[in-house]
Amino acid sequence: GEDVEQSLFLSVREGDSSVINCTYTDSSSTYLYWYKQEPGAGLQLLTYIFSNMDMKQDQRLTVLLNKKDKHLSLRIADTQTGDSAIYFCAETPGSSNTGKLIFGQGTTLQVKP
Amino acid sequence: GAGVSQTPSNKVTEKGKYVELRCDPISGHTALYWYRQSLGQGPEFLIYFQGTGAADDSGLPNDRFFAVRPEGSVSTLKIQRTERGDSAVYLCASSPGLAFPYEQYFGPGTRLTVT
Repeated sequence: GEDVEQSLFLSVREGDSSVINCTYTDSSSTYLYWYKQEPGAGLQLLTYIFSNMDMKQDQRLTVLLNKKDKHLSLRIADTQTGDSAIYFCAETPGSSNTGKLIFGQGTTLQVKP
Repeated sequence: GAGVSQTPSNKVTEKGKYVELRCDPISGHTALYWYRQSLGQGPEFLIYFQGTGAADDSGLPNDRFFAVRPEGSVSTLKIQRTERGDSAVYLCASSPGLAFPYEQYFGPGTRLTVT
């Protein structure tokens, strides 16, 4: 079956880089995503990567995909206090043609001033 | 433009009661998803609509849960005989259509509390 795992908590200092990690089990996943959830706000799509890519950069965000190890990471450069939130890794299973998302349990990022 | 809206934002009900949760997707979005997020967990897929039809309801936990989208726009998630375990935040998302990368836009959710 499909499963997505993340570490639960990460604390960094403002200005440092943050790296949030995720592992998944479905080797036929097509797209992998990172979502951000702030208190009282809806889930916001940050970025996504197609499974035949190994890296994607978008301003302060860098996504790395190791398909062999089924490992996905999100690096946030120059982390700011406004980046404090819960970050979810998600995948679209290869067996699905509906676009449904399978989410990890989320990583809480705490940014200390 | 307007995003996905969900009503009510909070719903408290007694065990055994019936509830309806509403989702207004972004205008023109043909795909609509419902997810459930329990405390400390990631969202779990419930059901997917393409237009008016439920194309994938594999995530509905049991037959107490039902959802409709009669005109291909607004959707209602219906829960019969609510149980305390149904307490969660119910999220709705819409997408322009069924094409990669399946970018989904989420609403703020309805927090359901069953007492």
